[in-house]
Amino acid sequence: GQNIDQPTEMTATEGAIVQINCTYQTSGFNGLFWYQQHAGEAPTFLSYNVLDGLEEKGRFSSFLSRSKGYSYLLLKELQMKDSASYLCAFMDSNYQLIWGAGTKLIIKP
Amino acid sequence: GAVVSQHPSWVICKSGTSVKIECRSLDFQATTMFWYRQFPKQSLMLMATSNEGSKATYEQGVEKDKFLINHASLTLSTLTVTSAHPEDSSFYICSARDGTSVETQYFGPGTRLLVL
Repeated sequence: GQNIDQPTEMTATEGAIVQINCTYQTSGFNGLFWYQQHAGEAPTFLSYNVLDGLEEKGRFSSFLSRSKGYSYLLLKELQMKDSASYLCAFMDSNYQLIWGAGTKLIIKP
Repeated sequence: GAVVSQHPSWVICKSGTSVKIECRSLDFQATTMFWYRQFPKQSLMLMATSNEGSKATYEQGVEKDKFLINHASLTLSTLTVTSAHPEDSSFYICSARDGTSVETQYFGPGTRLLVL
């Protein structure tokens, strides 16, 4: 079967670093996505990993290990505007996105 | 970047009425469009996938007679919630692919539906 799991909520301090983990199980895999979603808005694309390793994009980095079914999103130099839900999703063998429930990130001053 | 619009952004209606939501790709041709529903504090749930000119493929548990999807052109897909009831109140989001890469989906801003 397929499943995907990420923590429900995390809290971090402004200026700090936070890592949001995501684990998944699937027989067919075509990449792992991270999206940011502010309350009441649609998701916005952050990253896409299809090969193992770390992809860095400014303050955000995303890591993938296909053998472990594991990914993380790393956010550095946290800003208050980073308070949002972060959705992990993998693309299955039918190129359909399977979504996690999202991690609500709360940033405190 | 590619833009997807949705209209309306907000709709409040009485129970029993039908509501139509439009999803448009503004600067590209959307070969495939997706309709999602998201309840508060939950993740996106795919309702259906539609390809231009063909019938939509609905996910298990989604009533095709209640949620009518029409992908009449390469830039427009509509979702009609027929005989809406309070339990249909949700955030409806469309997304679109332009056919150049399977990993790229452009999301619309979403439509919040409240059925009284």
